[in-house]
Amino acid sequence: DAKTTQPNSMESNEEEPVHLPCNHSTISGTDYIHWYRQLPSQGPEYVIHGLTSNVNNRMASLAIAEDRKSSTLILHRATLRDAAVYYCILSLDMRFGAGTRLTVKP
Amino acid sequence: GAGVSQSPRYKVAKRGQDVALRCDPISGHVSLFWYQQALGQGPEFLTYFQNEAQLDKSGLPSDRFFAERPEGSVSTLKIQRTQQEDSAVYLCASSLIGTRTDTQYFGPGTRLTVL
Repeated sequence: DAKTTQPNSMESNEEEPVHLPCNHSTISGTDYIHWYRQLPSQGPEYVIHGLTSNVNNRMASLAIAEDRKSSTLILHRATLRDAAVYYCILSLDMRFGAGTRLTVKP
Repeated sequence: GAGVSQSPRYKVAKRGQDVALRCDPISGHVSLFWYQQALGQGPEFLTYFQNEAQLDKSGLPSDRFFAERPEGSVSTLKIQRTQQEDSAVYLCASSLIGTRTDTQYFGPGTRLTVL
């Protein structure tokens, strides 16, 4: 089983921020937290990853709790093209759970 | 540049047939992963190569599943005597560095349907 837990689904309105949570209470000190997303009929694609500090890239931001037992993927302005299943995984485990299915409403 | 490619994209097999699924990773990528994704589920890890060495095959569901990467580049996942429960999308991913902390780049997958 995956070592991360995520809500099954979330909804957002277009152009609003989205916060996707992930719990990983058994994370080890050397585990990186990776986020991938999977659009319909495609393979997963990398979104962002981090170890301890918050991270930003052109796609999203990653906020990591101080104890590293949880993290949050932040999409600053959701678009219809962001509708996908989002997966949070730990690097030393690389097991995907069911992910969070994000629906974006126009 | 070229990403990870997989062939065939779709495969229909009769129960009991053997199938071979091919993965062409990004050139120069050291690591290669295979995953199985059932409908509505997340990808399930099958096996992992670093160059030609198969370092982890703990996810292979049975001895009917066999993977190889003989020259450290192209990989083949073979399934013998296919069964209906093998129906799934098989995903291949590669990463540049030979560690499991590196970013993985996924192919589009091969959808296998066993009748």
